Amino acid sequence: SQQGEEDPQALSIQEGENATMNCSYKTSINNLQWYRQNSGRGLVHLILIRSNEREKHSGRLRVTLDTSKKSSSLLITASRAADTASYFCATDDSGYSTLTFGKGTMLLVSP
Amino acid sequence: GAVVSQHPSRVICKSGTSVKIECRSLDFQATTMFWYRQFPKQSLMLMATSNEGSKATYEQGVEKDKFLINHASLTLSTLTVTSAHPEDSSFYICSARDLGTSGGARDTQYFGPGTRLTVL
Repeated sequence: SQQGEEDPQALSIQEGENATMNCSYKTSINNLQWYRQNSGRGLVHLILIRSNEREKHSGRLRVTLDTSKKSSSLLITASRAADTASYFCATDDSGYSTLTFGKGTMLLVSP
Repeated sequence: GAVVSQHPSRVICKSGTSVKIECRSLDFQATTMFWYRQFPKQSLMLMATSNEGSKATYEQGVEKDKFLINHASLTLSTLTVTSAHPEDSSFYICSARDLGTSGGARDTQYFGPGTRLTVL
């Protein structure tokens, strides 16, 4: 069943702006992972954040996790046209690494 | 970084034939691999968990006799779609769980590039 729910479903911004995507989930999790998918391609792993972590950074990416609210956010700073893609959060709530994916956010960055 | 490959990337077959898709972890060992399918503009749905040396675990609603999974080694899992029908047309993606041997964060799942299956 779908656990993660991203919002917004679609986001359109200009190059240089920041993009924020949110993910909510329902059960306790072991970790939460963010992925990027370009149209018709496989998924690229962005960041894994564990349940005992609150924030992680990787380059222009910043991920936060609030387990009390069962939510996570992905911030892309200074966006580029190449960031155009669908972004998915996925939760590992089993401890066995079976991921449950949200519906994704389609990000369009215009030059 | 950890790399997962899939072969073939695209396959077109006639209804009733069987199609085998390979998933390989190239620079790390994966005792557990996962198979997903994705319909256009939708999210990924987990089909099954492939365990090296043992039977796969299928998600509810996935026919194990139709989607045969074999995880023969620590770097290779195969998905065979048997007697394929047009409704099996989809994008199939595999992933491999990294236990930390690739240098990335433990428990990270790395995904293959996907296989687009079209059944005529």
